Amino acid sequence: ETGVTQSPTHLIKTRGQQVTLRCSSQSGHNTVSWYQQALGQGPQFIFQYYREEENGRGNFPPRFSGLQFPNYSSELNVNALELDDSALYLCASSRRTEIRNEQYFGPGTRLTVT
Amino acid sequence: ILNVEQSPQSLHVQEGDSTNFTCSFPSSNFYALHWYRWETAKSPEALFVMTLNGDEKKKGRISATLNTKEGYSYLYIKGSQPEDSATYLCAFQKSGGSQGNLIFGKGTKLSVKP
Repeated sequence: ETGVTQSPTHLIKTRGQQVTLRCSSQSGHNTVSWYQQALGQGPQFIFQYYREEENGRGNFPPRFSGLQFPNYSSELNVNALELDDSALYLCASSRRTEIRNEQYFGPGTRLTVT
Repeated sequence: ILNVEQSPQSLHVQEGDSTNFTCSFPSSNFYALHWYRWETAKSPEALFVMTLNGDEKKKGRISATLNTKEGYSYLYIKGSQPEDSATYLCAFQKSGGSQGNLIFGKGTKLSVKP
């Protein structure tokens, strides 16, 4: 395993609600990226956090937001949930010394919006 | 829109067969190409990060090649074993992008029958 953990494993929410997903990065890693994998698709980049600030964002609306904490763990928040937000959410941690570094993924949080 | 294509979508082989699959990516603004192995209910596991045209990398029975000028990478598995059954993802990293912004293909799902 990669040493990256995510919680919860599964989550069911209702349309319009808000959700918070959590990620603990691997020891020694200071950068966390979040991805969304919808059914039948590859993972899509949501955003990345480095030194507690957003450092790059994919094509996702502002209702997707995040935080990174001093211990480098991270949260993904999604407001006003829509049915299309149902997906597997993956986080990945890496060291920012070399940008071609491997990213180490967690097992994901499966979000279902009804 | 940057497109990363993987083929085939799925592959069924017998134990002992050798197999290969393809990842196609944009040939411009290339920075790196990542390969991941993803077993069901586990975290995606980094296999290779490839950066130079003509790169060949090997890890046990798995190897990969890279052609950045024509925009493709091959992943080879020699003597497939049932434990090789997984989805194999490739991800393109564009120059000038943030470290986390990997553009993934949809994956090739490999099933190895004993």
